[in-house]
Order: sequence, then C-alpha cells, then structure tokens
Amino acid sequence: DAGVIQSPRHEVTEMGQEVTLRCKPISGHDYLFWYRQTMMRGLELLIYFNNNVPIDDSGMPEDRFSAKMPNASFSTLKIQPSEPRDSAVYFCAISTPSSGRTDTQYFGPGTRLTVL
Amino acid sequence: GQQLNQSPQSMFIQEGEDVSMNCTSSSIFNTWLWYKQDPGEGPVLLIALYKAGELTSNGRLTAQFGITRKDSFLNISASIPSDVGIYFCAGQLIQGGSEKLVFGKGTKLTVNP
Repeated sequence: DAGVIQSPRHEVTEMGQEVTLRCKPISGHDYLFWYRQTMMRGLELLIYFNNNVPIDDSGMPEDRFSAKMPNASFSTLKIQPSEPRDSAVYFCAISTPSSGRTDTQYFGPGTRLTVL
Repeated sequence: GQQLNQSPQSMFIQEGEDVSMNCTSSSIFNTWLWYKQDPGEGPVLLIALYKAGELTSNGRLTAQFGITRKDSFLNISASIPSDVGIYFCAGQLIQGGSEKLVFGKGTKLTVNP
C-alpha cells in the first residue's frame, strides 16, 4: 500500500444512506484508479483518472456511484443512496510517473464497506 | 468484456513444495502482471511481463508471458509460510483510449509448515 491512504478503513451504514470513500495519494502520480472487490466478482475497475480527468468510467455500476478528483492529492468515491449489494472492499490505486506505465499500480489498504 | 480464467482457485501445499498457477483468456493482452494480496491489505505487484514469451524472475517467483499473449503462469519454488495469500493475475489491454487492468478471480494459497 505504498503511497496511498484510504479512509475510512471500515464503514458500516444503513441502506439509503450516502457513503463517501476517500483516497489520498502520498507520492506523485498521474493516474488514479478506483476498484471494487467482492467474493463473487473479484476485483473490478470502477473508474480511473489521468491528471485529475476521468478517462474510463465504464465500470461504474450505476448512477448511484460517482467519483471526483478535485486535485492531484485527493479523490472521492460516493454512493448515494447505498444498497446492501454495494457491500465490498473498495481500493484506490495509483501509478507513478517514474514507471511511465499504467499497469504498474500501487494499491491502498482498502475501505471495507458494509451496507445493512 | 475481457475475462481472465485463473486456476486453481485454491491450493494447499507443504512448506518446501513448488507451486504453479496460471491464467488464460480468449483475449490478447499487451501486458500480464501478477499480484499478491495479504488479508486486510491491497494487492502488491510481484512481477510484470511486457513481451510475448518473456520469462521473468523475482526471487523464488518466476512468471512467463505466453507466446499467444492469451495466457501466463506463475511458479513459486520452495514455498515458505509467508507465501500464504491470494495471488491474482491481471492483463492490460490498451484499447480505445483506455488502459485498464482486468483481474483474474485469484488463487488462494495455503502453506502448511
């Protein structure tokens, strides 16, 4: 999880509530990725940004999900309203300019979301 | 969409044994990668492969990029207890301006001391 802070680490909420997950890259980067991990579907890319601009959001499941990257040091993933099927571990990952590649990704520790 | 078939789903081995796992796909990938995930942590990159036929080692780990670009394998030699975890393969396909990774479902490795 070098270079990425995620908060909160655990979130328990009730169906219908708004949930905001946060990602703060520590080190320099030019790409930022949001993933969701479940037992059934494995690790899935939701959206990724290049220089703070969303490039591919085809993995965002539905309009209840939105992601923003207001600056190079911060990104949020919001679910509104949340549903039990959104329960999963959400990861933020970055790729660093020094690698010059988007495949070399460094993952944060994840946020475990439980929607009751 | 692209899918990766990773096998086996789980392995139970004795310390000191060698391990082999693989990924196949019907799609061609530009890059193959192998990640390891420990409980409560995010995946950590182990090996990246960039050319068809490439064979790369990282300590006791060896991975190969298949000639057809549709498969890859990972070998772990002389396993130790800290090898326990879930291993994921991932492929990158650069297409239509997108450079996303597609992940396999993982191989859960248990090493008995």
